[in-house]
Amino acid sequence: EAGVAQSPRYKIIEKRQSVAFWCNPISGHATLYWYQQILGQGPKLLIQFQNNGVVDDSQLPKDRFSAERLKGVDSTLKIQPAKLEDSAVYLCASSTSNYGYTFGSGTRLTVV
Amino acid sequence: RKEVEQDPGPFNVPEGATVAFNCTYSNSASQSFFWYRQDCRKEPKLLMSVYSSGNEDGRFTAQLNRASQYISLLIRDSKLSDSATYLCVVNQGGKLIFGQGTELSVKP
Repeated sequence: EAGVAQSPRYKIIEKRQSVAFWCNPISGHATLYWYQQILGQGPKLLIQFQNNGVVDDSQLPKDRFSAERLKGVDSTLKIQPAKLEDSAVYLCASSTSNYGYTFGSGTRLTVV
Repeated sequence: RKEVEQDPGPFNVPEGATVAFNCTYSNSASQSFFWYRQDCRKEPKLLMSVYSSGNEDGRFTAQLNRASQYISLLIRDSKLSDSATYLCVVNQGGKLIFGQGTELSVKP
């Protein structure tokens, strides 16, 4: 089975610029998550989708972050404008149940 | 108070040592519990689920105490390849809440 695909692997941008990340979950996985992992910390949930609907976005900084999953399959996460503190690894995960989570390899963002 | 708290690391142990990781969680309504392993610059991967009855997978033993809201992971006869960050994870309503992780370094 193919895993969760994410792109790009790395991105370096200047503060105040915009950036977008893409995730393609495992086929058939209805639930998709975006996590932010700052160096030295555990992953923090930003947003959870069930098919194309948002289940939880309580920790998404909505003034600068947005995410969509229009057709209930792949998803994009956007940051506009980026701040220095947004430097982190952005992990996408998908699941069919409360137990079967699979993470992608992540996008490492550096904001300079 | 953090939702999931782990022992601060890093743990530096010799090969063959037994090492224990501890974790507490704040939400008593949490439904299921896991340990994940994360290698340097890699994504987290499921190591094992944790059950109240305790469960074992080879050299790894996990334990859950719901009354104390406490989770543990024991690694026996540690190997160089066990060096990684171990993340305590709690499922709350279908979303995974991660602890900050405890780094383990196993030395020859």
